[in-house]
Amino acid sequence: DAGVTQSPTHLIKTRGQQVTLRCSPKSGHDTVSWYQQALGQGPQFIFQYYEEEERQRGNFPDRFSGHQFPNYSSELNVNALLLGDSALYLCASRTGTGMRNYGYTFGSGTRLTVV
Amino acid sequence: GQQLNQSPQSMFIQEGEDVSMNCTSSSIFNTWLWYKQDPGEGPVLLIALYKAGELTSNGRLTAQFGITRKDSFLNISASIPSDVGIYFCAFVNFGNEKLTFGTGTRLTIIP
Repeated sequence: DAGVTQSPTHLIKTRGQQVTLRCSPKSGHDTVSWYQQALGQGPQFIFQYYEEEERQRGNFPDRFSGHQFPNYSSELNVNALLLGDSALYLCASRTGTGMRNYGYTFGSGTRLTVV
Repeated sequence: GQQLNQSPQSMFIQEGEDVSMNCTSSSIFNTWLWYKQDPGEGPVLLIALYKAGELTSNGRLTAQFGITRKDSFLNISASIPSDVGIYFCAFVNFGNEKLTFGTGTRLTIIP
């Protein structure tokens, strides 16, 4: 049973470019969240998708956008890249039901470097 | 905003030693979570705590949700080489999807 799959694993982009990161949730999971983890820091919540809609958003600018597809997979898009966007981007999935269901499964992440 | 202080930042111990780390927050939360992150991997959930005073074990790991609901600690007994990694605490409230993570405790085992 595959866990959360993210692609690509590593990416190098130039300032001002746009990037799309992809995530396939664990089988049976329908809720996807994205996190940004800077070097030496804990992950920071970007946003969460459920039923193809953004349900909650963290403190990130509009340059960060996302999408969830009918098969529950998700994309994270970042426009007008800045050097400070260099980080590990983590996708996490879980089932969308249950109050005490915080069994998020994290992927291994996409390492984005902006030069 | 909500602040989460995690200490210590790093620990250097010998194999077989016990380890203790803790987190304190500026606000009250419903749920404390402890994660471990290995190099090149995403965080893995170790223990979830839902009630003030709750003490939960997972093998050699024990975690407690503080009575004031503003703190939590994680203990690891008889450390082994595979315990090396970064340990994060995180908190969340019911109905909220956002996990707020601490800055992490890096555990290194000295040969």
